[in-house]
Amino acid sequence: SQQGEEDPQALSIQEGENATMNCSYKTSINNLQWYRQNSGRGLVHLILIRSNEREKHSGRLRVTLDTSKKSSSLLITASRAADTASYFCATVETSGSRLTFGEGTQLTVNP
Amino acid sequence: DAGVIQSPRHEVTEMGQEVTLRCKPISGHDYLFWYRQTMMRGLELLIYFNNNVPIDDSGMPEDRFSAKMPNASFSTLKIQPSEPRDSAVYFCASSFWDYTDTQYFGPGTRLTVL
Repeated sequence: SQQGEEDPQALSIQEGENATMNCSYKTSINNLQWYRQNSGRGLVHLILIRSNEREKHSGRLRVTLDTSKKSSSLLITASRAADTASYFCATVETSGSRLTFGEGTQLTVNP
Repeated sequence: DAGVIQSPRHEVTEMGQEVTLRCKPISGHDYLFWYRQTMMRGLELLIYFNNNVPIDDSGMPEDRFSAKMPNASFSTLKIQPSEPRDSAVYFCASSFWDYTDTQYFGPGTRLTVL
């Protein structure tokens, strides 16, 4: 069963705009991770945020975590055509023993 | 490091045939994971190993699937006999600490069972 649910399922923006993707989950977590998958490729890890953290940055990426709302968001600033990919959130439940992936958001950045 | 290596990259086979997928994790990583990705079911964890020992195989769909890790640098996922519904992309991933840690994915094997 899916633990994380991404929203929206698909997002299309223009180059230079910001892209925001959201992830909601059901149970308490140890950490939440965001991955990117380019078409036909494997997943690439972007950011890991622990349950006691509220915000993390990495280059043009900003991730927030609200454990009270059981949600996270990934913000990509000043998007580029190369950011076109599927973005997945993945969670590790505190009572679990695995990383569970959501269904992903397909981001298209138009040049 | 070369990253996680998977072979073959593409496999096309006839229903009923045996399929073997191979994975070489990143050197020094103690955890190895096998995932399956389909449009219908998304990314599913099939099995993972810690120090070559299977820890959680609850995601293995049925007895036709088996996985082994004979040493720290090699793992196989075998499907025997294969069925059309096994068509998917199979990913291998590895991590250094444990299942909560960042996972490094291979490029995947696209399996088509006719």
